[in-house]
Amino acid sequence: ETGVTQTPRHLVMGMTNKKSLKCEQHLGHNAMYWYKQSAKKPLELMFVYSLEERVENNSVPSRFSPECPNSSHLFLHLHTLQPEDSALYLCASSQGVQETQYFGPGTRLLVL
Amino acid sequence: GQQLNQSPQSMFIQEGEDVSMNCTSSSIFNTWLWYKQDPGEGPVLLIALYKAGELTSNGRLTAQFGITRKDSFLNISASIPSDVGIYFCAGQSGADDMRFGAGTRLTVKP
Repeated sequence: ETGVTQTPRHLVMGMTNKKSLKCEQHLGHNAMYWYKQSAKKPLELMFVYSLEERVENNSVPSRFSPECPNSSHLFLHLHTLQPEDSALYLCASSQGVQETQYFGPGTRLLVL
Repeated sequence: GQQLNQSPQSMFIQEGEDVSMNCTSSSIFNTWLWYKQDPGEGPVLLIALYKAGELTSNGRLTAQFGITRKDSFLNISASIPSDVGIYFCAGQSGADDMRFGAGTRLTVKP
């Protein structure tokens, strides 16, 4: 149990659907992250939030929209995704943005 | 951005053998981290290294932060079947400069 939970664990969606991924951390951390993990590629950082403010947006397409309502919760809203967006989406949190990150179990996303 | 070169990509070993993997970079990092990822799960932190030259152990795992701050290695001694998984290194020098290796996939044959 890492203290970072993600729901759903698995998601299948069509290209016209709208869905949201949820991440919750129970560690009292101030920073949260979204990563994309594709097969045989390094983890790709998507978004960084510190104290609920976005501090990093790594040229992520607008069909991915993050939301951080408070320091314990992070969402990733998805709409009109493409099949190449199928991947494992990982959430992480850390005490501060330069501190060690702890990961959630991920959401396995399949876009049909 | 600068990638980390992690090797080997995969390893097939017999139970009881020792394992060694490493990461190198042309960039300097302030922190080196090693994670393990089981199938269908997120990465779990194994060891964090914060000082050049630091050698840290966690049970059968030993990791070192290279003196040049551009490399790190992870050793696993006396491997067991539950060591199977993908091991990732990560180098961090700030919020916007955390890099991951591509992973080393470890298979342990009983």
